[in-house]
Amino acid sequence: DAGITQSPRHKVTETGTPVTLRCHQTENHRYMYWYRQDPGHGLRLIHYSYGVKDTDKGEVSDGYSVSRSKTEDFLLTLESATSSQTSVYFCAISDSGSGRGDGYTFGSGTRLTVV
Amino acid sequence: QQPVQSPQAVILREGEDAVINCSSSKALYSVHWYRQKHGEAPVFLMILLKGGEQKGHEKISASFNEKKQQSSLYLTASQLSYSGTYFCGTEAGTASKLTFGTGTRLQVTL
Repeated sequence: DAGITQSPRHKVTETGTPVTLRCHQTENHRYMYWYRQDPGHGLRLIHYSYGVKDTDKGEVSDGYSVSRSKTEDFLLTLESATSSQTSVYFCAISDSGSGRGDGYTFGSGTRLTVV
Repeated sequence: QQPVQSPQAVILREGEDAVINCSSSKALYSVHWYRQKHGEAPVFLMILLKGGEQKGHEKISASFNEKKQQSSLYLTASQLSYSGTYFCGTEAGTASKLTFGTGTRLQVTL
């Protein structure tokens, strides 16, 4: 019944390799977000999208890129993975993005380990 | 800059009340509250909008002081199911994005 799915759920990768995480939604929501969660830091915004091919940086965007070619898919790419990018990555969707809607719906997360 | 939440952690006995605070240095348009259980995704609890409108779907309440850019989440008669980490997310200006606090860990015991 989930309107948002993330893949993969777990991944171990080596330092220096590129990694792509996928977020897929079936809700036709305009806004999509990528956050990372680390102990002591809460959720920090990496990038977000406000429409197809419309994206913007968040507070921790260095080393990450995103693409959104379709409404339903939002991809996060770690161009050259580093150990500091070991984290849990959450995708979120929103219908309005401006607080007038029903809040964000989060995916189940991707646990990424860079060795 | 992330909003500041307090306390960082709290332990309650079932039936007790708790208040979690969220403070921002920016002028806010809205404040969101989410709860996250261990190993799970955050789940939306409530939105408080500038001007006083409030939207939520659980038996909790919250306030939003626009002058002080502060919000408080009130958990009354806590249940074991209330355990988890609570995050506030703030939206400032016209940006359609949330900045989250570092969380408040709530544990409810028997």
